[in-house]
Amino acid sequence: AQKVTQAQTEISVVEKEDVTLDCVYETRDTTYYLFWYKQPPSGELVFLIRRNSFDEQNEISGRYSWNFQKSTSSFNFTITASQVVDSAVYFCALSEDSPDNYGQNFVFGPGTRLSVLP
Amino acid sequence: DAGVIQSPRHEVTEMGQEVTLRCKPISGHNSLFWYRQTMMRGLELLIYFNNNVPIDDSGMPEDRFSAKMPNASFSTLKIQPSEPRDSAVYFCASSPWLGRIDGYTFGSGTRLTVV
Repeated sequence: AQKVTQAQTEISVVEKEDVTLDCVYETRDTTYYLFWYKQPPSGELVFLIRRNSFDEQNEISGRYSWNFQKSTSSFNFTITASQVVDSAVYFCALSEDSPDNYGQNFVFGPGTRLSVLP
Repeated sequence: DAGVIQSPRHEVTEMGQEVTLRCKPISGHNSLFWYRQTMMRGLELLIYFNNNVPIDDSGMPEDRFSAKMPNASFSTLKIQPSEPRDSAVYFCASSPWLGRIDGYTFGSGTRLTVV
């Protein structure tokens, strides 16, 4: 069965610090997709990134970067030079590409609440 | 595109009342999903539709919950009768089609409080 673990329940950093949010997943499929979503205080879920299991290249988007390591089943998210606006709950999610669920059933991690203090 | 639109944003109702949550998916998206978010259980998939047909409703907690998608541009999630433990944020999401792993587009959610 698929599972996503985000061991860090809450993290507090001071503005301009770098912060890494951990995500560890479990799946028996060889084809799967990993996601990160941001949920700011306003409540909506904002899509940040999608990664498929065949693409282990790390990705950088501005201050955001993602480190995908299949060997450790991890898909960590780093925010460089954090800002107060980064304060939110961040969810990691996994979707298996199996015939049984057509890959539509996301499994979300419990989320990590990030507080960036001024 | 306006994105996935949910209404109302907030709903407060008394126990025993019927509650209807509404969702308008992105035009052209063929798959629609209802999720519930609570502190205790996180994000849970309740039901999803493909081409307006319910595919999997195994996440619906009880018979008090029902969902419909009468056409490609509208879906409802109904709770009758509502109970305090139904208090949660309910999200609707859509994606282009079943099997298209692009990531979902979520609505802003409906915060339901049952008193």
